[in-house]
Parts: sequence; structure tokens; C-alpha cells
Amino acid sequence: GAVVSQHPSWVICKSGTSVKIECRSLDFQATTMFWYRQFPKQSLMLMATSNEGSKATYEQGVEKDKFLINHASLTLSTLTVTSAHPEDSSFYICSAREWRQVSEKLFFGSGTQLSVL
Amino acid sequence: EDKVVQSPLSLVVHEGDTVTLNCSYEVTNFRSLLWYKQEKKAPTFLFMLTSSGIEKKSGRLSSILDKKELFSILNITATQTGDSAVYLCAVGFSSGTYKYIFGTGTRLKVLA
Repeated sequence: GAVVSQHPSWVICKSGTSVKIECRSLDFQATTMFWYRQFPKQSLMLMATSNEGSKATYEQGVEKDKFLINHASLTLSTLTVTSAHPEDSSFYICSAREWRQVSEKLFFGSGTQLSVL
Repeated sequence: EDKVVQSPLSLVVHEGDTVTLNCSYEVTNFRSLLWYKQEKKAPTFLFMLTSSGIEKKSGRLSSILDKKELFSILNITATQTGDSAVYLCAVGFSSGTYKYIFGTGTRLKVLA
């Protein structure tokens, strides 16, 4: 099946620093990628829809200036958590949609565990 | 408000049992419903459903969608300990953009 690579797997940073997370579709082109956040024992919460070559669409309540998304190519989307604070600590996971004729699949990266000290 | 609700939230069964997981939704411009299994990190894809009444099957797992009643079920027969996981239901819909929201998940534990 299609593979989505997410990097890094985990990161620990000091409060006030910025962290960049990369999401790559390895064997297909993804015009649309999605960023989710997951708290322990909870489901995935959609943060934003990342569109190649255009601005991301953010969900209500998600700060655009805090979570910067860039989708510069058909295989790469990045999420930058700016001026991270302890409350930003969470599991972030990306996904990419693959279109196959009349069907679609949503593949996930392995996620990034962010801990802000 | 667009939402996806799964039930039960958790379930404990014994090996060999059959389980049925439920997913109901309320969204504008429904496009698709997807089932995933999440064991540790990345959810793994199980099924995608777009049409009512057509069962999708893969081994001991099967799923069906009812677009009139706005729900889907995921069945697992002859459960094994390896089926222990969180099962997530996602609904794809168009609201400005075509996106997916997830339900709360059902945590399944299969005892030997």
C-alpha cells in the first residue's frame, strides 16, 4: 500500500522554540494532506487541510499563526508549531489522500510526539 | 455541527466472539466513510464505503454502510487477541474543502 513518511517521530523542545514536522507521500502524489492532533486515549482531531500550492484551510479554533502549514510540493507538507508551549504537547499525525480512479484512500504517517518543556 | 459518533466506547470480549462496532454520522455533503485500526501510532486502513448496502469484506472483517440511516457497522468474527486495538471511523465530506473527521473510536480488547 501507499506509504506516508512523517518526521521526526518524537521531539522534545524548550518553551518558546519552534518545531517543524514533515509529512511526505513516498509513492504517490498528494494534492491534499491533513494534519490531526491526538490527545492520549482520544480520537484524532482535524487541525487543518493542506492543499498543494495554496493556503491551508484551518478548522475552527485552530490558530493559524501558531500552526503554520506549508504544502510546497505534491509530496511534502510541513507543520511548524511556532513558539511552542507546554499545552502544545501532543501527538501530531498527518495523512495524505490518494485517488485511484473511482476510489480514494487516506494513508497516515507514523505521527510525531511533541513534548514542550 | 458535523459529527461522527462511535459506539460502544470500549468492549472486552473473549477469543472467538463476534463483535459489531457502530459508527453514526451527521455531516453535510457526505462523500465517504472509512474504517481504521489503530494499535500504536499510525491508523491502518481497513475499508472505504461510499454506497449503501454493499458489504465490504476482508477475511474476518466486514463492513456495510446505510446512507439513509446515516450509519455504518464493522463486524469482526472469530476474534483473536491480535484484533485488540482502537477502531476508528472517519467520514469524508465536503464543507468548503473535502475533509475527514473522526469518531471517538471503539477500544476493543480481546482476551485469550
